Amino acid sequence: AQTVTQSQPEMSVQEAETVTLSCTYDTSESDYYLFWYKQPPSRQMILVIRQEAYKQQNATENRFSVNFQKAAKSFSLKISDSQLGDAAMYFCAYRVQGGKLIFGQGTELSVKP
Amino acid sequence: DVKVTQSSRYLVKRTGEKVFLECVQDMDHENMFWYRQDPGLGLRLIYFSYDVKMKEKGDIPEGYSVSREKKERFSLILESASTNQTSMYLCASHTPHGRNTIYFGEGSWLTVV
Repeated sequence: AQTVTQSQPEMSVQEAETVTLSCTYDTSESDYYLFWYKQPPSRQMILVIRQEAYKQQNATENRFSVNFQKAAKSFSLKISDSQLGDAAMYFCAYRVQGGKLIFGQGTELSVKP
Repeated sequence: DVKVTQSSRYLVKRTGEKVFLECVQDMDHENMFWYRQDPGLGLRLIYFSYDVKMKEKGDIPEGYSVSREKKERFSLILESASTNQTSMYLCASHTPHGRNTIYFGEGSWLTVV
């Protein structure tokens, strides 16, 4: 069965510092997608970054980057220069082409001024 | 921009009532999903649909049914609401074409008393 695990229920970072959120997944598929979603208090899910498994290069979106280790089935999110607006629940998710999106348990990130 | 609309943001229902949660998307997406979100459990898939009148069970379908009579509308039905169905429900839609992005509604908070 495909599973996604986020082992950090809560994380905290000082404003302007860097934080890394962990995610591991289990799959027997070779072609799939990985995502990080942000959910602020409004509850609207916002796509932060996506990674195609066939791409070796780590995805980057401005201050957000991932460390994708396919053999280790690890997909961590690094947030650089953290801002107060980054405070939210972050979900790691996995999806096979044409299949359903499977989520981790979430990591609540707080940003201290 | 794609819009996924969940018509009811906050509902309070009594045990045993029949509950309808409606979701409409405006981008002609083939795939639609219903998730349930609970603290510490992340998002769990209840049902999904990949075409009109087609549906598949997700990870936690018990106590729920769905209806997709038109492509843009995907309804979640609680035949006889119970207190353990108190939760936030998220609808999402997706097309396998283009950017392959999944879009979410703003969520429906359901309280069963």
